[in-house]
Amino acid sequence: NAGVTQTPKFRILKIGQSMTLQCTQDMNHNYMYWYRQDPGMGLKLIYYSVGAGITDKGEVPNGYNVSRSTTEDFPLRLELAAPSQTSVYFCASSYSSGGSSGELFFGEGSRLTVL
Amino acid sequence: GNSVTQMEGPVTLSEEAFLTINCTYTATGYPSLFWYVQYPGEGLQLLLKATKADDKGSNKGFEATYRKETTSFHLEKGSVQVSDSAVYFCALIRTGNQFYFGTGTSLTVIP
Repeated sequence: NAGVTQTPKFRILKIGQSMTLQCTQDMNHNYMYWYRQDPGMGLKLIYYSVGAGITDKGEVPNGYNVSRSTTEDFPLRLELAAPSQTSVYFCASSYSSGGSSGELFFGEGSRLTVL
Repeated sequence: GNSVTQMEGPVTLSEEAFLTINCTYTATGYPSLFWYVQYPGEGLQLLLKATKADDKGSNKGFEATYRKETTSFHLEKGSVQVSDSAVYFCALIRTGNQFYFGTGTSLTVIP
């Protein structure tokens, strides 16, 4: 069982370039999330989705876009990369909203550096 | 608003020492509380949880008790092992679909 798979694991971008972080899950989870993890800052929610075709902003959505065309996939797009977007990005999924189960399943992370 | 504050690290302990990582929270109403663990090079995974006041979550020798009166959810383990070296995150969920994570506490256990 693969769980949550993120690609790429590492990427270096130049300022102004665009890229997409891919995320797919094979657990048939309705809820999917993108977080960024900055040193000493914990995890901040970028975007989340409660099902195919539905997305919503989290705490730090500026500079990012998402789509959810299928239950399995939740790509995160950076349109014009900036140094402030240097971070480790985690995709996660859950079956319910978390109130009863509370278990988020995380991918292994994608380390992005913008120079 | 909702937030989680946990003790700063890094924490370094000798094997078999007692571990406490403090976590306090701010939330309206009655959140559910969690501890997640991140081993080197991996994503976070759920360690334990508690969904109401006075509940005790436990897993792999770790425990945490939901204390509403002190708004705390401190993580404890009686005897740590080298394999417990990781980063530990306290988190809460109140309503909707947003988790709130603490900043993480790095633990290193030396033989």
